[in-house]
Amino acid sequence: ILNVEQSPQSLHVQEGDSTNFTCSFPSSNFYALHWYRWETAKSPEALFVMTLNGDEKKKGRISATLNTKEGYSYLYIKGSQPEDSATYLCADHSGGGADGLTFGKGTHLIIQP
Amino acid sequence: DADVTQTPRNRITKTGKRIMLECSQTKGHDRMYWYRQDPGLGLRLIYYSFDVKDINKGEISDGYSVSRQAQAKFSLSLESAIPNQTALYFCATSVGGSTDTQYFGPGTRLTVL
Repeated sequence: ILNVEQSPQSLHVQEGDSTNFTCSFPSSNFYALHWYRWETAKSPEALFVMTLNGDEKKKGRISATLNTKEGYSYLYIKGSQPEDSATYLCADHSGGGADGLTFGKGTHLIIQP
Repeated sequence: DADVTQTPRNRITKTGKRIMLECSQTKGHDRMYWYRQDPGLGLRLIYYSFDVKDINKGEISDGYSVSRQAQAKFSLSLESAIPNQTALYFCATSVGGSTDTQYFGPGTRLTVL
């Protein structure tokens, strides 16, 4: 994998259901993997920064895992609520300059009441 | 008050015009970044700055220039705007490098006619 890729591109989930989506990134020269939540007309807001293989982070109903050897991270949302509707971006360090991030295209999540 | 602000929030300009987008931050961070976001693409890094004296090109710097007037201010200029520079522009700041969270401004929506 040469770029940061996210799947699926969009996702419709029923309120109350749990969901997850994937971020794939180049596994060589790994420094960190970032997850951001981006609501329409607002700024992207940081969720997690993950650096260690096997790392798992949690914030409320949202959690993320990291596999640096195979180059993927999963973001999980438990018991989805309408306010979870947003675009979820992941980014890593590869190819973006010494300190800039390389972002995926995002997963657009819509929670249906 | 927002920690990272951008002015203007919206701008419509004509091809060939010079335009400056401004970013200010009260977070006291040394590192600042400019990204652009286009529909269907991820955020892409234009320029980044480690401090007032250190400015670096990102992935897509052609057609842009920047100025770091102070620790708190980082401006992006389009010397001669062209229609394919129509995009949503974000400024971001961070304490340190790739393992530190980036904090984003609200974005500037630029339209070049």
